[in-house]
Amino acid sequence: QVQLMQSGAEVKKPGASVKVSCRASGYTFTGYYMHWVRQAPGQGLEWMGRINPNSGDTNYAQKFLGRVTLTRDTSISTAYMELTSLTSDDTAVYYCAREWNYHYFDYWGQGPLVTVSS
Amino acid sequence: EIVLTQSPGTLSLSPGERATLSCRASQSVSNNYLAWYQQKPGQAPRLLIYGASSRATGIPDRFSGSGSGTDFTLTISRLEPEDFAVYYCQQYSNSLWTFGQGTKVEIK
Repeated sequence: QVQLMQSGAEVKKPGASVKVSCRASGYTFTGYYMHWVRQAPGQGLEWMGRINPNSGDTNYAQKFLGRVTLTRDTSISTAYMELTSLTSDDTAVYYCAREWNYHYFDYWGQGPLVTVSS
Repeated sequence: EIVLTQSPGTLSLSPGERATLSCRASQSVSNNYLAWYQQKPGQAPRLLIYGASSRATGIPDRFSGSGSGTDFTLTISRLEPEDFAVYYCQQYSNSLWTFGQGTKVEIK
């Protein structure tokens, strides 16, 4: 069965960076785009970007350009999201989600909480 | 970027009642690339509806989607206890994905 297993919760200081991983299993990793979506506490969902695991090509939301980097390691079927220059506004749950039918998200990771606090 | 506005913010209903949730787009959503997701506390979202009106695998038929262009609706025909949750619409356009702010369906 398809599973997306993400790394654990993190606590970071303002100005630091965080790198979250997402290990895929149960399907061909390179066959589906992987997206990243975050959710601040009590707030809605915010799309951050996506990566083509086959080519490494990426698309990013304008808001995160220059601050987020999506990468992947096909040898271990894992996608990564790195966010730099963290502020308290970046405190959120960070989900990876598999793209399905070109436009939708059918499987999601469990979403670790990243807390930014001094 | 297409902005999605959901209404109402909160819907207070009783089990067995009908729920009607709205999602309005700031521009026409191309090819009706619109989906609905359900999210329960502490869980990841779950895909309910895609292509504005197609149910995802395993979704009960009490959930239905309709609409086109800029106005979309999610209807839950008879609310079951497990349907009380937050619902989000999502659209795709020009390699950008956006979500609405969500509608909470709570028990009255």
